[in-house]
Amino acid sequence: EDKVVQSPLSLVVHEGDTVTLNCSYEVTNFRSLLWYKQEKKAPTFLFMLTSSGIEKKSGRLSSILDKKELFSILNITATQTGDSAIYLCAVEPKNAGGTSYGKLTFGQGTILTVHP
Amino acid sequence: KAGVTQTPRYLIKTRGQQVTLSCSPISGHRSVSWYQQTPGQGLQFLFEYFSETQRNKGNFPGRFSGRQFSNSRSEMNVSTLELGDSALYLCASTRDPQIYNEQFFGPGTRLTVL
Repeated sequence: EDKVVQSPLSLVVHEGDTVTLNCSYEVTNFRSLLWYKQEKKAPTFLFMLTSSGIEKKSGRLSSILDKKELFSILNITATQTGDSAIYLCAVEPKNAGGTSYGKLTFGQGTILTVHP
Repeated sequence: KAGVTQTPRYLIKTRGQQVTLSCSPISGHRSVSWYQQTPGQGLQFLFEYFSETQRNKGNFPGRFSGRQFSNSRSEMNVSTLELGDSALYLCASTRDPQIYNEQFFGPGTRLTVL
């Protein structure tokens, strides 16, 4: 069964700090790994990492994927109070046909709190 | 472009009742997946529909069912509600899972079972 473990489960920092969120996974056939940010509403998409795209960056956020060691990290530099949220990591397996038929397996999430 | 919409946003039911939740995907998205989110279990996959066909199902009892219409809108139904069904139900849409596509989530329906 696919499994995703995130660490730490919670993190409290001050504005301006840099944080690193970890995600390790086990999946039978890997297709992609996704990062989402969830505030008091729907998870919003941040990054998708695949075999052909193991590093992504968007503004202060960046993520890398290590397919050999089966983990990913999400970095947030110069944190702001608006970064306070739950950060979710998910893996997408692929079946014999090459797709996942919609199933993402999520980790428990990391609760990030950024104080002014 | 409008995002994924879900109705109703909040729902209170009593044990033994049944409930139907609705999800309208982003225009042009043909795949709809449903998830249950609880504090203890996190986000768990319920099922996925594509072109009106259920192609994948998670480890939930048969009381949880769904369907998809020709316009890609989807509904999920929970019969004989139990207290443990209280959760945030999220749906997500994808244009076509054949290619790499992230899932876009709706705001969710918060179901409380009393």
